[in-house]
Amino acid sequence: KAGVTQTPRYLIKTRGQQVTLSCSPISGHRSVSWYQQTPGQGLQFLFEYFSETQRNKGNFPGRFSGRQFSNSRSEMNVSTLELGDSALYLCASRRYGETQYFGPGTRLLVL
Amino acid sequence: KNQVEQSPQSLIILEGKNCTLQCNYTVSPFSNLRWYKQDTGRGPVSLTIMTFSENTKSNGRYTATLDADTKQSSLHITASQLSDSASYICVVSSWMDSSYKLIFGSGTRLLVRP
Repeated sequence: KAGVTQTPRYLIKTRGQQVTLSCSPISGHRSVSWYQQTPGQGLQFLFEYFSETQRNKGNFPGRFSGRQFSNSRSEMNVSTLELGDSALYLCASRRYGETQYFGPGTRLLVL
Repeated sequence: KNQVEQSPQSLIILEGKNCTLQCNYTVSPFSNLRWYKQDTGRGPVSLTIMTFSENTKSNGRYTATLDADTKQSSLHITASQLSDSASYICVVSSWMDSSYKLIFGSGTRLLVRP
């Protein structure tokens, strides 16, 4: 069974731009969560989607948004990028209530 | 406040030696505790998961313990290998408000030297 895939793997943007990251969960997994990981803050929860509905949301500004499609694939969007948004963005999928399986992440650098 | 604290922040050991990583939590209600291994530049991979009633679980050279009374967990690595160099993250889950909440520790960065 294929694992969680994320695209792109690496991305360089400049301040003020917007970015969209994509995540394809493991087949059969309907829950997708997004995390931001930085050296200083560790893993920070962004939001979780289940059956196209946002179920949980972390403490991030409204510039961070997401959505989930009917095939469970999910996208995350960050608008008006700031230098502090440079991080590894991880996506994780699970059957509801079970262990999460993480993707390899998208490393975003904002210049 | 629900928190997960890990120690030490970083650790350097020689190949072949054992080590123990600590995780203390104040999460309530408690559902389960997981240890993840994260190689540099990759996503975390689950090593063990323990519920309230389990006090030890092994996965090869990795052995996790859980003391639900003191709210402490440890991850013991036996006969370390160079490939054990990674960050180890403790995650506690809690069922609240009709959904699972995951509280992450900041991780322990382990470096195994030859």
